Amino acid sequence: EVVMTQSPATLSVSPGERATLSCRASQSVSSNLAWYQQKPGQAPRLLIYAASARATGIPARFSGSGSGTDFTLTISSLQSEDFAVYYCQQYDDWPPYTFGQGTKLEIK
Amino acid sequence: EVQLVESGGNLVQPGRSLRLSCVASGFTFEDYAMHWVRQVPGKGLEWVSGISWNSDIIGFADSVEGRFTISRDNAKNSLYLQMNSLRVEDTALYYCAKGPVYYDVNGFQNSFDNWGQGTLVSVSS
Repeated sequence: EVVMTQSPATLSVSPGERATLSCRASQSVSSNLAWYQQKPGQAPRLLIYAASARATGIPARFSGSGSGTDFTLTISSLQSEDFAVYYCQQYDDWPPYTFGQGTKLEIK
Repeated sequence: EVQLVESGGNLVQPGRSLRLSCVASGFTFEDYAMHWVRQVPGKGLEWVSGISWNSDIIGFADSVEGRFTISRDNAKNSLYLQMNSLRVEDTALYYCAKGPVYYDVNGFQNSFDNWGQGTLVSVSS
């Protein structure tokens, strides 16, 4: 099973600033990596797939990068609606698909 | 607009069974793979099971293998999760999620692009 590790667990950033979230896989997952955003009381929403492709309707301030074992989600200028929990997911090797434990992005 | 609506969650005793349903609309359900993902309140996401468009390919997490079965009825635009021998650790919010279309060259190597709002399963004596 591929273990996904996200860091940091919590990230405090001011609105308008840049946020950088990391995700590491225990083995190469190529570019088969997605990022999801989850707000309290809501279902996860797909942000990024194939490591760097934005999903439909996702603003350009969200970008993903990386391949192999190391990945990054960058939010270029944080808006109030971006404060949420973010999960990475590998879909290279299944079953099972595996998720990271999440990074909580909070207002500084 | 894609909509996925789960139902069937309830409070049940350990060892009992429960069947979850997910009704889909807004897309051609029979063309898409589907998944179940669960989340203990306040915790992370755990993939549970997935099924191809024609039910030929099915997979389970080790934690539920042999106890849960997944099925679909394309005529009813519905996905199901039959959960037997329930354990306290199966307590979670269960989401259904939409996978790839049948002709996607990447097959099951795909993300989940739409999710339902979930149905809560509580297992307790």
